[in-house]
Amino acid sequence: AQRVTQPEKLLSVFKGAPVELKCNYSYSGSPELFWYVQYSRQRLQLLLRHISRESIKGFTADLNKGETSFHLKKPFAQEEDSAMYYCALSPPLSSASKIIFGSGTRLSIRP
Amino acid sequence: EAGVTQFPSHSVIEKGQTVTLRCDPISGHDNLYWYRRVMGKEIKFLLHFVKESKQDESGMPNNRFLAERTGGTYSTLKVQPAELEDSGVYFCASSQDNLGSEAFFGQGTRLTVV
Repeated sequence: AQRVTQPEKLLSVFKGAPVELKCNYSYSGSPELFWYVQYSRQRLQLLLRHISRESIKGFTADLNKGETSFHLKKPFAQEEDSAMYYCALSPPLSSASKIIFGSGTRLSIRP
Repeated sequence: EAGVTQFPSHSVIEKGQTVTLRCDPISGHDNLYWYRRVMGKEIKFLLHFVKESKQDESGMPNNRFLAERTGGTYSTLKVQPAELEDSGVYFCASSQDNLGSEAFFGQGTRLTVV
C-alpha cells in the first residue's frame, strides 16, 4: 500500500535548536518524495523535493531507501519556521499523478 | 501571475443541503487535483483532471460528490446532499502538462456541515 507516515502531530523546539521532522513511507518502487509547508494564513506550498537535493530556507531532507525515510532537518530553528509540514510522495516521473500526503506535523518554534 | 484560486473560502451548510466549490487553476495548467483534509487527518486525494477528462477519481468518497471541469478550465466540486462527515478543508491544486512538475495549491475551502 502507498502510505506516508508522520509520527509526530506536534513538535515544539526553542529558537536556535536543531529540528528534525520525521517521515516514513511505504511504496513498492522508487517514488518522488516531497516536503510541503503551510504557514499561518497562507496556502500549502512546496518546500523541497528529494530529486533536487537542495537546501531551502536552511532545511534539507535525505532520502534513505533502506529505512524508507525522508526526514526533514534544520540545524538552527527560527521563529518563522513555525508552520504545518507535510511529507508527501508521488509515483516516479512516469506520468503526472496524484500526490499522497502524510497527516502533517505542526512545528512550533519557541522564542 | 495569479495562483490557484478557490471559492468560497468558507462555507457553513446544514446537513442535507447542497454545496458547490469552485477552483480556478493557474492559466495553462492542464492538470487539476482536488484534495480534502478532514480534521486531524491527512490530506487525501479525491480526483485528478487532465484538461476536461477525469484521469483518476479513485479518491472520491461516494456518489454524493460530483466533480466537473467543463472546457478544461475551472473545476467545480458539488456535494449533494451534504453529510456531517463531509466537513473539512477542500484543496485544489494544478500543475503543468510536463512530467514531474510542481503542484501549486489554492488556499482551500473550509466546509462545515452542521
